[in-house]
Amino acid sequence: KNQVEQSPQSLIILEGKNCTLQCNYTVSPFSNLRWYKQDTGRGPVSLTIMTFSENTKSNGRYTATLDADTKQSSLHITASQLSDSASYICVVSGKTDSWGKFQFGAGTQVVVTP
Amino acid sequence: ETGVTQSPTHLIKTRGQQVTLRCSSQSGHNTVSWYQQALGQGPQFIFQYYREEENGRGNFPPRFSGLQFPNYSSELNVNALELDDSALYLCASSLAGTSDYEQYFGPGTRLTVT
Repeated sequence: KNQVEQSPQSLIILEGKNCTLQCNYTVSPFSNLRWYKQDTGRGPVSLTIMTFSENTKSNGRYTATLDADTKQSSLHITASQLSDSASYICVVSGKTDSWGKFQFGAGTQVVVTP
Repeated sequence: ETGVTQSPTHLIKTRGQQVTLRCSSQSGHNTVSWYQQALGQGPQFIFQYYREEENGRGNFPPRFSGLQFPNYSSELNVNALELDDSALYLCASSLAGTSDYEQYFGPGTRLTVT
């Protein structure tokens, strides 16, 4: 069973609107959580990284939140643009991972339409 | 651009053949991780190389092997190709092997096995 679950699987939003993506994880003990943006056929690009003590992190129009107690994170996209169309992947690392092993979610495919 | 390059961009092989994929890490990075990403899925960790030694391995059979060279570039070799090996293969470089360090992904190699 995947230790990182993302929802929704996909969504379509109108340009200029906001949206929120969800990530639930069971990785324990927890070290950090990252959100990546992956354009079709390209490698993922990091948007935010949060450790246990951080509740929120912003990167431009992207804002990530983390609730380590409920093991949930969200990524909020404000005033979406056509260039936001991509897959958004939640990645969680555990403290036992002395090497860089990351648990990847399956991603949420976002399509922004004019 | 992350500074991580991969070659080739696309590759078509026949079942049973062998393939070698290449990755040049970002300048100054000594760690390379390889991932397999099936269509519509998140990346799956294959293995990681740190200073020319394998530093961790995911749930992949021994026919997936790798190398890291003194300049920290890396190869992924896959023997006896199977149809299910068709995927996007990503490499990511980082300053060190632990999950504290940011990974920078290359654009990927799209492998199709027929």
